[in-house]
Amino acid sequence: DVKVTQSSRYLVKRTGEKVFLECVQDMDHENMFWYRQDPGLGLRLIYFSYDVKMKEKGDIPEGYSVSREKKERFSLILESASTNQTSMYLCASSLGQGFNYTFGSGTRLTVV
Amino acid sequence: AQTVTQSQPEMSVQEAETVTLSCTYDTSESDYYLFWYKQPPSRQMILVIRQEAYKQQNATENRFSVNFQKAAKSFSLKISDSQLGDAAMYFCASAGNQFYFGTGTSLTVIP
Repeated sequence: DVKVTQSSRYLVKRTGEKVFLECVQDMDHENMFWYRQDPGLGLRLIYFSYDVKMKEKGDIPEGYSVSREKKERFSLILESASTNQTSMYLCASSLGQGFNYTFGSGTRLTVV
Repeated sequence: AQTVTQSQPEMSVQEAETVTLSCTYDTSESDYYLFWYKQPPSRQMILVIRQEAYKQQNATENRFSVNFQKAAKSFSLKISDSQLGDAAMYFCASAGNQFYFGTGTSLTVIP
């Protein structure tokens, strides 16, 4: 069974901390994505990657960065966490354009 | 950029009845795909159904079917014989080079 695994289900961090959200997929997918999900706003794309060491900004990249050193791992970094980054974060991967996304089970991050 | 609109924030249906969730989209791409995802309380997003825009035939998956109206840019999801396990948030998505998601419809199934 193919999987996208997010390392933490719940996280609580303090304002100003550097936060790492990890995502690993075991499907040899080229494409990986980070979304944040907020009530009434749906899923908004933060960053995506089509290959190792490649990254592209999505719709809301401000305050975030990413790292993709290996094909299977895509990390989201909050350089200095702020309370407005409290949200649900979803990682996804896909084989390519037009293919289904496989999602992780999400990380609910609270910044206090 | 593409936009996806789900105009029904909440819907409810009696168990065993049929419900239709609405979705409209706007895209300038000629080659794209449409999806419905289900997110139950467990938070795991699950693919419900997928439609290639170049196919006129509406996709079906067991109790789930779509009404795809390409000219109207409409992609509604019909759930027949609703079950308690269908209760979830449903997201419509349009995908060309990237996925664009709607804001979701929360479906309640009444026993």
